[in-house]
Order: sequence, then structure tokens, then C-alpha cells
Amino acid sequence: EVQLVESGGGLVQPGRSLRLSCAASGFTFDDYAMHWVRQAPGKGLEWVSGISWNSGSIGYADSVKGRFTISRDNAKNSLYLQMNSLRAEDTALYYCAKVWDSSENDAFDIWGQGTMVTVSS
Amino acid sequence: DIQLTQSPSFLSASVGDRVTITCRASQGISSYLAWYQQKPGKAPKLLIYAASTLQSGVPSRFSGSGSGTEFTLTISSLQPEDFATYYCQQLNSYPPPLTFGGGTKVEIK
Repeated sequence: EVQLVESGGGLVQPGRSLRLSCAASGFTFDDYAMHWVRQAPGKGLEWVSGISWNSGSIGYADSVKGRFTISRDNAKNSLYLQMNSLRAEDTALYYCAKVWDSSENDAFDIWGQGTMVTVSS
Repeated sequence: DIQLTQSPSFLSASVGDRVTITCRASQGISSYLAWYQQKPGKAPKLLIYAASTLQSGVPSRFSGSGSGTEFTLTISSLQPEDFATYYCQQLNSYPPPLTFGGGTKVEIK
């Protein structure tokens, strides 16, 4: 079964850091670009960041650029999001997602269940 | 950045109704558009990619059309399990952002 499982969320104070992980299984992880998408409580979807299969192409939303870093470890079938200088507006459910074909700008066919990040003092 | 405007943001419909949701892009994106369905407490589900290609396993009552700046998602006969929020997403350029539309919530009349 193709599966993505996020972890690492929690309650964190403004200005602090958090690292999210996404464990992939059931497919050849290093064949696919991967993305992070977030959803603030009661709000819509916001693309956060994406990374190509070989980490050669990386992109960020303007709202997180310079604060968040996406990475992957193909040997461990894992995707990561290092989040620094967290703000209240980063509070959201964070999903990792797999592209359906291979490229960074293919649609997202598999999503994890999400991990909640709450930034509050 | 490319902006996506969905309309309506909310619609009330009955089982069996034909429903159409529109997504307009602030600039041309060819056919680089996807549609997702999200139910409360669940992750989004891919319905359509490349503007009109039905994802495997998605019922044929769902269809997508359009290119350039205007796109539509149509549900030909609304079923009880279709009540959800629908999002479009542009995938024209990477990077920068793969923008989502604001969403359309479909509720039971």
C-alpha cells in the first residue's frame, strides 16, 4: 500500500524551531518529487515547498522562504521540513504529498494524514 | 505569482443535481490545472489533473475542462458522498508557488 506518514508536529513558541518528517512506503521514493502543503484551521490549502527526486530543484512559498528548509533522504525513504523562526501564522496542519508522475509540477496523488503545528506562547 | 479564483465559494445543491465549479487563473497556465476533493478531517484527494484527465478510480460523473485561464469542474449527478470542499491548483510553473484556489464548499440543500 502506498502510504505517507507525517510526524514531528506539536506546540512550539514563536521564534522556535521544529522539524517535520514524512515516511514514505509502498512506492519507489526516489522516483518522485515531493511537496509540503499546509492548511490553517478552517482555511484553505497553501503550498509550502517542493523538492525534486534528486534534491536538485527546490522551491518555497514566499511566506516561508528563508525560514523553512525542505530536504529528503532517499536511502531512508523520508522527506523533511525544517521550520525555523516560527510565527503564529505558521499554525496549520502540514501534509506531505507525492506527485503522480515524477516531476515537481505534477499533481499530487498521494497525501499523508497531516501533522499539526501550533505556534503559540 | 499566479492567482486562482474559484467561484462560487459556497454552493447548496441536491442529490442528482448537475454542479459546475469555475477556476480562473490570473494568467495563462495552459492545461496545468488539477482538482482536489477534501472531506472534513481528511486529506485532499486528487480528482483530475492536466485540466481534464480523470485520476484512476475517480467516478466518471466528475469531469474537467478548460485551458489558458478558465477551467471548470463538473459533477454530472451529485451523489451524497460528493458533499465536500473542492480546490483547484495550478501547476504551470515550478518554482515558484503551485497555488491553490480558495475552495468551493458543496453542501446539501
